[in-house]
Amino acid sequence: DTAVSQTPKYLVTQMGNDKSIKCEQNLGHDTMYWYKQDSKKFLKIMFSYNNKELIINETVPNRFSPKSPDKAHLNLHINSLELGDSAVYFCASSRTIGTSGSNEQFFGPGTRLTVL
Amino acid sequence: GQNIDQPTEMTATEGAIVQINCTYQTSGFNGLFWYQQHAGEAPTFLSYNVLDGLEEKGRFSSFLSRSKGYSYLLLKELQMKDSASYLCAVRDDNSNSGYALNFGKGTSLLVTP
Repeated sequence: DTAVSQTPKYLVTQMGNDKSIKCEQNLGHDTMYWYKQDSKKFLKIMFSYNNKELIINETVPNRFSPKSPDKAHLNLHINSLELGDSAVYFCASSRTIGTSGSNEQFFGPGTRLTVL
Repeated sequence: GQNIDQPTEMTATEGAIVQINCTYQTSGFNGLFWYQQHAGEAPTFLSYNVLDGLEEKGRFSSFLSRSKGYSYLLLKELQMKDSASYLCAVRDDNSNSGYALNFGKGTSLLVTP
């Protein structure tokens, strides 16, 4: 039933580790996104991915890399985790922008990452 | 660049009407969205405006003036469950940005009895 799902919901890890967050959508959308929400609740785009084209927000460190095995999945891999990476990470998906309608984004439940 | 401003906090009484304003200055525009986010949950879509005017959807309405870079979300007949953060977001019109949403910092609304 779940439209956009993420695993895990909570992730606690040590500085320097490498971790991945998985995202899947069953809405038939062809554009997926990753957002970061910091402690002040500010939601900021990290990546968007459409038809194998990756758009990266220039402020995102290259320790973060999205990987899309197919249209329904966009996983986020993070190398060498730092304290400042602690945040809630949201995956989202939408239909292709430019077609008719609002093409609003649907968000997953979020993954709360805590780096110790 | 993107600059989206909305009040940080608002308080209103159950049954009342509240208006949450959002002003924006963006390099491109492909629609303005309002999302609701309860604590610990995902943002959920409330409304979309791309043309000037008012869009009504049940107890919620959203208004847009593109020339003024201004929108508001109007919530009528407030209920306790409306206590949440309300996020204003502008979608870029540039495919180079992936048509991502640029969010304001959100308005935390508290509905009191």
